[in-house]
Amino acid sequence: EAGVAQSPRYKIIEKRQSVAFWCNPISGHATLYWYQQILGQGPKLLIQFQNNGVVDDSQLPKDRFSAERLKGVDSTLKIQPAKLEDSAVYLCASSLVRGGIGETQYFGPGTRLLVL
Amino acid sequence: AQSVTQLGSHVSVSEGALVLLRCNYSSSVPPYLFWYVQYPNQGLQLLLKYTSAATLVKGINGFEAEFKKSETSFHLTKPSAHMRDAAEYFCAVRPTSYSSASKIIFGSGTRLSIRP
Repeated sequence: EAGVAQSPRYKIIEKRQSVAFWCNPISGHATLYWYQQILGQGPKLLIQFQNNGVVDDSQLPKDRFSAERLKGVDSTLKIQPAKLEDSAVYLCASSLVRGGIGETQYFGPGTRLLVL
Repeated sequence: AQSVTQLGSHVSVSEGALVLLRCNYSSSVPPYLFWYVQYPNQGLQLLLKYTSAATLVKGINGFEAEFKKSETSFHLTKPSAHMRDAAEYFCAVRPTSYSSASKIIFGSGTRLSIRP
């Protein structure tokens, strides 16, 4: 079974530029998550999708971050414009079910972003 | 609000020695608890999870954790460390009652180093 795929793996941009990350979850997983992991910290949930609908985006900085999952499969996270403090690893995860004992999140390898 | 505290950002043990990584949670009711491992340049992988069944939970790679309600702890142990166990370990918590706000909260992580 293929895991969660993410691209690119690394990205270096200058502040005020735009950047986009792509995630393809495990086949059949209805729930998709984007996390931000700043160096030395645990992952922080940015946004959670159930199929193509947003369940939780309370911690997404909506003035610069956006995400979509138009067909309920793969997803794109965008930052526009980027700030220095956005330097982090962006992790995508998916799960078969949402909530409950059965929810196990499977993580992709992440995209490491450096904003100069 | 729920939270987790991982005591010690860095733990170093000798190969073959006992591994003990500490995690304490804050919650009004016993939550679901997780331990994840993150190897360099990779995403997170679930080691084990507590879902209110047995208090001693066995996971992959010889790790186990014990839920102690009286101490609000969920410490991770392994009897004998291997070089391949060197990684970052994250404790995480999620409420058992499902709602749109029941996201997983991660601790700040503990880096485990193994001395030859």
